[in-house]
Amino acid sequence: QKEVEQDPGPLSVPEGAIVSLNCTYSNSAFQYFMWYRQYSRKGPELLMYTYSSGNKEDGRFTAQVDKSSKYISLFIRDSQPSDSATYLCAMRGSRNTDKLIFGTGTRLQVFP
Amino acid sequence: DSGVTQTPKHLITATGQRVTLRCSPRSGDLSVYWYQQSLDQGLQFLIQYYNGEERAKGNILERFSAQQFPDLHSELNLSSLELGDSALYFCASSGPGQGHQPQHFGDGTRLSIL
Repeated sequence: QKEVEQDPGPLSVPEGAIVSLNCTYSNSAFQYFMWYRQYSRKGPELLMYTYSSGNKEDGRFTAQVDKSSKYISLFIRDSQPSDSATYLCAMRGSRNTDKLIFGTGTRLQVFP
Repeated sequence: DSGVTQTPKHLITATGQRVTLRCSPRSGDLSVYWYQQSLDQGLQFLIQYYNGEERAKGNILERFSAQQFPDLHSELNLSSLELGDSALYFCASSGPGQGHQPQHFGDGTRLSIL
């Protein structure tokens, strides 16, 4: 079993839709949770970063962490065709390690 | 633009060969990380250097090695290449501060083994 599970999609939505992307994990030591966006032939770009449980909002993006359920989400409001990319969740354990564990990514397509 | 520079962008070589991938971190960043991205495994952590010293090792094969130089750029050396080593290799860097420092990624080197 992988430490981080993520549905690979693809997820296809119309422009303006609310998108929900999710990851589950098994390691309760994870403390830091990140979402990266990766366009084709590009490196992952950091979108959101959350420490422990709770919500964080940045523009059209909201990240949620539920440590009790070992479940994290990224919501995209008013989705745009430019949001079409692969979204990767990533997690990090205690302060003693900087190593990130990634999900395999969800491919999102937003059509006009 | 993340500020992390990787060269070359694409490398094509044959089995049994050796290649060197290069990474220049963002200005001021002391940590460099190497990741491998393949279709079936996703992004896998290979190794981390901090200010010239190896800090953490992940799923890095013995045929692979890395180093970080005094100017903080890093190189990943892959030898005795096999078909299965074909993948995207990403470098990331992060700052020196306390607490969590986000990792910023370069655009990768695509390695194709023929």
